[in-house]
Amino acid sequence: EDKVVQSPLSLVVHEGDTVTLNCSYEVTNFRSLLWYKQEKKAPTFLFMLTSSGIEKKSGRLSSILDKKELFSILNITATQTGDSAVYLCAVEAGETSGSRLTFGEGTQLTVNP
Amino acid sequence: NAGVTQTPKFQVLKTGQSMTLQCAQDMNHEYMSWYRQDPGMGLRLIHYSVGAGITDQGEVPNGYNVSRSTTEDFPLRLLSAAPSQTSVYFCASSYSGQLGSSYEQYFGPGTRLTVT
Repeated sequence: EDKVVQSPLSLVVHEGDTVTLNCSYEVTNFRSLLWYKQEKKAPTFLFMLTSSGIEKKSGRLSSILDKKELFSILNITATQTGDSAVYLCAVEAGETSGSRLTFGEGTQLTVNP
Repeated sequence: NAGVTQTPKFQVLKTGQSMTLQCAQDMNHEYMSWYRQDPGMGLRLIHYSVGAGITDQGEVPNGYNVSRSTTEDFPLRLLSAAPSQTSVYFCASSYSGQLGSSYEQYFGPGTRLTVT
């Protein structure tokens, strides 16, 4: 059974702090790992990672994948109150590309002013 | 493009009633999925489809049926609603992979279902 575990489950920080969110996985036939942001509505896509060691970056957010140790991290620098959300990690696995995603529980990030 | 649309946004059912949650996408995506989201459990895959006429079960398929007669539509049917099906339901779609490529899934706005 495919498994995705995120930590911490919740995190409270002050504006300007840097945070690191963790995602570990155990799946058969790994294809990709995805990060989503969810703010009381549908998840919105952040990053897709398929190769180890290559950092994906978008503004203050960045993410990297380690396929040997089976984990990924999502970094957010200089946090803002607008970063408050649930961050979801999902892994696509299987023999063919498709729509089977296994999600972690999510990390609830709260950024206080 | 409207992207992925879902109807209704909210629904209250009594135990034993049946209903269909609608999902449509206008991006010509081959892959479509249904997830449910419960507090503390993330999103769990109910059913998915890799193309018109092809569907398969996900992690939590019991009590739900799907069909995919067109590329655009992927309705989810609750056969006999139970309180355990109270949840938020998300439909998602994505491009098909070429030569093993993967693509991100686009999510609809969700349907909040309460079964009393």
